Amino acid sequence: KAGVTQTPRYLIKTRGQQVTLSCSPISGHRSVSWYQQTPGQGLQFLFEYFSETQRNKGNFPGRFSGRQFSNSRSEMNVSTLELGDSALYLCASSRGSKGVADTQYFGPGTRLTVL
Amino acid sequence: ELKVEQNPLFLSMQEGKNYTIYCNYSTTSDRLYWYRQDPGKSLESLFVLLSNGAVKQEGRLMASLDTKARLSTLHITAAVHDLSATYFCAVLMARDNTDKLIFGTGTRLQVFP
Repeated sequence: KAGVTQTPRYLIKTRGQQVTLSCSPISGHRSVSWYQQTPGQGLQFLFEYFSETQRNKGNFPGRFSGRQFSNSRSEMNVSTLELGDSALYLCASSRGSKGVADTQYFGPGTRLTVL
Repeated sequence: ELKVEQNPLFLSMQEGKNYTIYCNYSTTSDRLYWYRQDPGKSLESLFVLLSNGAVKQEGRLMASLDTKARLSTLHITAAVHDLSATYFCAVLMARDNTDKLIFGTGTRLQVFP
């Protein structure tokens, strides 16, 4: 069974631009969560989607948004990029309806660099 | 706000030795996870601990949970080089109908011959 896939793997943007990251969960998994990993702040929860609805949200500004499609694939969007948005963005999927409370399987991440 | 602290942050240990990584958290939770991350790679789930006194073992790693002390430990027995990685604990925080996974700072483990 294929794991969680994320595209693109690497991305370079400039300040003020916007970016969209994509995540395909493991087949049959319905919950998708997003995390930001930086050397300074560590791993931080962004949001979680289940059945195309955002169920849980971390403490990030509104510039960070996401959505989930009917096939459970998810996208994350960051608008008006700032230097501090440079990070590894990880997507995780889980099978059941408990979302972040279930065991999550992480994708390889998208490395975003903002110049 | 739930805080999760790990110590030590860095651990350099010789092959064959034993050591313990500690994970303290500040408010009650009924679920704790341990993950491993290799350099440049994603997170791999190691253990999920669901109740007080839970103990799980996989190879040279053993994790335990004391919910009363709000403490989890990851014990490494007879370390080998392949265990070199960063280890994270993560605690489930459920507040106001919102679930979040709060990660510790991570412990970077280096095992040398």
